[in-house]
Amino acid sequence: GENVEQHPSTLSVQEGDSAVIKCTYSDSASNYFPWYKQELGKRPQLIIDIRSNVGEKKDQRIAVTLNKTAKHFSLHITETQPEDSAVYFCAAPSGAGSYQLTFGKGTKLSVIP
Amino acid sequence: EPEVTQTPSHQVTQMGQEVILRCVPISNHLYFYWYRQILGQKVEFLVSFYNNEISEKSEIFDDQFSVERPDGSNFTLKIRSTKLEDSAMYFCASSESSDRWYGYTFGSGTRLTVV
Repeated sequence: GENVEQHPSTLSVQEGDSAVIKCTYSDSASNYFPWYKQELGKRPQLIIDIRSNVGEKKDQRIAVTLNKTAKHFSLHITETQPEDSAVYFCAAPSGAGSYQLTFGKGTKLSVIP
Repeated sequence: EPEVTQTPSHQVTQMGQEVILRCVPISNHLYFYWYRQILGQKVEFLVSFYNNEISEKSEIFDDQFSVERPDGSNFTLKIRSTKLEDSAMYFCASSESSDRWYGYTFGSGTRLTVV
């Protein structure tokens, strides 16, 4: 099955700085890579995703990059704001044809005002 | 924006008791999932359900777990004889049929506490 590694586990940045979170995956057949934001006690919410036929995708201050050769993908948040503080999870399908997502262990992002 | 609805939001049960967690997926979605998250840990897949049958299940989803779609709107997770280690947040999710990754949406969760 898929193995997803996520780094760092915690990240503190000053407001206005950029934050980068990285994930690696093991199954080269994986073709969908979402990022979820989870605030304390709440549901994981999809913030951006990327498919394997695309190398980069942007949505305002958030971007995701994918390197299929190296089997890693990254979340980039620019101009961070205090409300970006949360736990961020990457995920990948557990193999071709799988319906399940395998999640990384999460990154707790703290944006310091 | 359509939502996945879960009830109850919090359930406390005694060890050995049966619990049923309920979910109402988004109405035009045909793929349904249960995940769990032990406090402070990552989200873990339990089971997926499509066309009235289990599509995949993880090794966590053992014989004490079962899922059912009793009518056209509800999707339930039953834990037959709860253990202390079943204490976790349980999330239901659903996605569309044409592209199972499209609209993959999580519910607000049920916090299960086994005492």
